[in-house]
Amino acid sequence: DAGVIQSPRHEVTEMGQEVTLRCKPISGHNSLFWYRQTMMRGLELLIYFNNNVPIDDSGMPEDRFSAKMPNASFSTLKIQPSEPRDSAVYFCASSFQLEHYEQYFGPGTRLTVT
Amino acid sequence: QKEVEQNSGPLSVPEGAIASLNCTYSDRGSQSFFWYRQYSGKSPELIMSIYSNGDKEDGRFTAQLNKASQYVSLLIRDSQPSDSATYLCAMNDSNYQLIWGAGTKLIIKP
Repeated sequence: DAGVIQSPRHEVTEMGQEVTLRCKPISGHNSLFWYRQTMMRGLELLIYFNNNVPIDDSGMPEDRFSAKMPNASFSTLKIQPSEPRDSAVYFCASSFQLEHYEQYFGPGTRLTVT
Repeated sequence: QKEVEQNSGPLSVPEGAIASLNCTYSDRGSQSFFWYRQYSGKSPELIMSIYSNGDKEDGRFTAQLNKASQYVSLLIRDSQPSDSATYLCAMNDSNYQLIWGAGTKLIIKP
């Protein structure tokens, strides 16, 4: 069974450009989480969805960040415009139900903004 | 503010010995506790879940939960060099999110 799929695996872009990260959760999972990880701040929850509906986006750092989940098998995280301080590894995770809490992570997207 | 505390390490353990990783937490309402392993450059991988007080064993791994003292630990028996990684402790909060520790870096010396 395929795990969480993320693309691209690596992204290098220039400051000011738009960046779109993609995620396909595990089939049958109805909760999806976007995280950012840096050495300085560790693992930070940005936003999570339940049944395609955003539940809590309080972790989104600012209006430059947006996320969508148009259907149960696809989500995007967009940064527009990107800044060097957005450089990090972005993980998507999914779980069967919110109440189960066990989250399974994708391989991540390493974003570098120059 | 709800917090999860872990010693960042590194914790150095000889091969074949028992590695002991600890985590304390502040939210008494937490009911579900998890240990994730993260190799350098990889994503966190769930290795243990524990929901009730006591010990839970899975192969060489044992998770221990003490809700009264608000700590959870992970023991790794017969440590192998392949166990060298960062171990993240996590637990639920009332909003269905996981609260994460900063992780402990474990080094198993051959």
